[in-house]
Amino acid sequence: GEDVEQSLFLSVREGDSSVINCTYTDSSSTYLYWYKQEPGAGLQLLTYIFSNMDMKQDQRLTVLLNKKDKHLSLRIADTQTGDSAIYFCAPRSASKIIFGSGTRLSIRP
Amino acid sequence: DVKVTQSSRYLVKRTGEKVFLECVQDMDHENMFWYRQDPGLGLRLIYFSYDVKMKEKGDIPEGYSVSREKKERFSLILESASTNQTSMYLCASSTQEGLAGVWELFFGEGSRLTVL
Repeated sequence: GEDVEQSLFLSVREGDSSVINCTYTDSSSTYLYWYKQEPGAGLQLLTYIFSNMDMKQDQRLTVLLNKKDKHLSLRIADTQTGDSAIYFCAPRSASKIIFGSGTRLSIRP
Repeated sequence: DVKVTQSSRYLVKRTGEKVFLECVQDMDHENMFWYRQDPGLGLRLIYFSYDVKMKEKGDIPEGYSVSREKKERFSLILESASTNQTSMYLCASSTQEGLAGVWELFFGEGSRLTVL
């Protein structure tokens, strides 16, 4: 079946950029989402990209999509303590959204 | 403000007990979902529903059932809880859009179930 891979942990210094990577197997994915889960909370849609785009920028967030390599990344510029969370990559194909394992982002002072 | 409310944040049950997890949404969404979240495994879909009284199996339905008697309420039932069902359970809802739609999922805060 479809698979979505993410590294489990990422630690960055406050003020640096964070880059969270994701690889997926389903080449027919249409929308690709990034969800954010803050401590003790449910998931919230952070941003998404449509499969005919290479890049999407939204304030401090940049999403890059390489369809050929089936690779998605989320860059957070000027990382702040409020960005501490688990980030889930979630490609969508036909009728299903598949979630990755999530990357826990921690911020060092 | 959109809201998905799960009735219990924390539950502790014994093996063999029947467990009900309740979820209510106030956004008049057609679609509702139950996921379980385990460390390193991400979210896995248990069941979903596109309409009242309708249900579809997700990827891991074994040991679970669901009920949707009203549009706003979707219940997850563990008929006989087992220790391997210890997990975080997340409910979500979304509007019914065509394939061109964004399909944003709105999640509850989760119910952490421990089965002893």
